[in-house]
Formats: sequence, structure tokens, C-alpha cells
Amino acid sequence: GAVVSQHPSRVICKSGTSVKIECRSLDFQATTMFWYRQFPKKSLMLMATSNEGSKATYEQGVEKDKFLINHASLTLSTLTVTSAHPEDSSFYICSAGDLAGEHEQFFGPGTRLTVL
Amino acid sequence: AQSVAQPEDQVNVAEGNPLTVKCTYSVSGNPYLFWYVQYPNRGLQFLLKYITGDNLVKGSYGFEAEFNKSQTSFHLKKPSALVSDSALYFCAVRAYGSSNTGKLIFGQGTTLQVKP
Repeated sequence: GAVVSQHPSRVICKSGTSVKIECRSLDFQATTMFWYRQFPKKSLMLMATSNEGSKATYEQGVEKDKFLINHASLTLSTLTVTSAHPEDSSFYICSAGDLAGEHEQFFGPGTRLTVL
Repeated sequence: AQSVAQPEDQVNVAEGNPLTVKCTYSVSGNPYLFWYVQYPNRGLQFLLKYITGDNLVKGSYGFEAEFNKSQTSFHLKKPSALVSDSALYFCAVRAYGSSNTGKLIFGQGTTLQVKP
């Protein structure tokens, strides 16, 4: 299957700082990428849908000014958590998909964010 | 409303026994159904999908799932469980319609515990 990478895999930051997480599709072009948040032993919560070259579509309740998403190319989307707060500590997972067919989404390995 | 339900938080089986992880769904239109597995601190790995055709779908690592339209179910099965199958399993559905964005709707997840 296709490979999606995320960087960093783990990050610890202080409250008030910003953290950028990268999601890359390594061997295919991803017209759409998705950002999820997962709490311990819980399901994935979709935060936003990121389309290459256009603004991201945020799910209800997700603050777009706090979680900045940029999808500048067909292989890279970034999620920036601004003014991080301990409540933002979580496991963030991205996925990439191609809407041209019936393709499943391919998931990155996740990024563990800890805000002190 | 579209939804996916995994009624069991945890399934326990003995190694070598058959396993079933249940999933039911509610969507408008034809469902595209997926099963993913997640190991601790990892992203999701694709197991199998149902798009159309044969109701019995075979996937990775010896898993299979049966699409049952009348019962709106897509249970995951394996004839003989391995200890290494112990993980968190997610059922997901993607529904196509006038506002197709490729979003996945996930179930709550089921923890599979296979004991030696």
C-alpha cells in the first residue's frame, strides 16, 4: 500500500508555543489529506479535510485559527497547533487519499504531542 | 445521520480459536466499508475494504469480513487467532453522495485480546 509519513513522531513543547506537524505522501500524490485527533483508547476524531491548493474544511467545533492547516503541494500537508495548551496534548494522525477512485485512506504513523 | 457502531469495547479469544469483531453501519447511499488495525502508538493499517461485488472480502493477515446489506453489518473475522493479532480494530464507512469529500466515519474501536 501507499506510504504516508509524519514528522515529528513525538514532540514536547511549552504552553503558548506553536508546533508544526508534517504529513507527507511518499509514493503517490494526495489530492486530499485528513487530520485526526485521537485520545487514549478512543476513536479518531476528524479535525479537518485538507485539499491541495485550497483552504481546509474544518469539522464543527474545531478552531481553525488554532489548528492551522496548509496543503501546499500534492505530497505535503502541515498542521500547526498555535498557542499550545496542555489540553491540546494528544495523538495526531494524518491520512491521505485520492478521491479519483474507491481508494482507502492511507494513514501516517501519528505524532504524540505533549504540552507542558 | 451516518454512523458506525462497534458494540464491543473488547473481545477476548484464545489463540487458535476463531474471532469475530462486530460492526454495523448506517449511511445513505451505497456504503464503502473498511477495517483498520492500530497497534500501540502507531497509525492505522488498512486491513480490507468492501466496495462492491462479492459480499465476503478477504484482506491482510488472514482477516476477512462479510458485508450483509439486510443487517447493515460488516463483521471482521479470522478463522484462527494469533497472539500477534491483539490490537485495536476500527470499522469505518465512507458514503458517496452529492457532497462526497471522502471523509471516513469511524466506529468506537474494539480492542482484541488474544491469549496464548
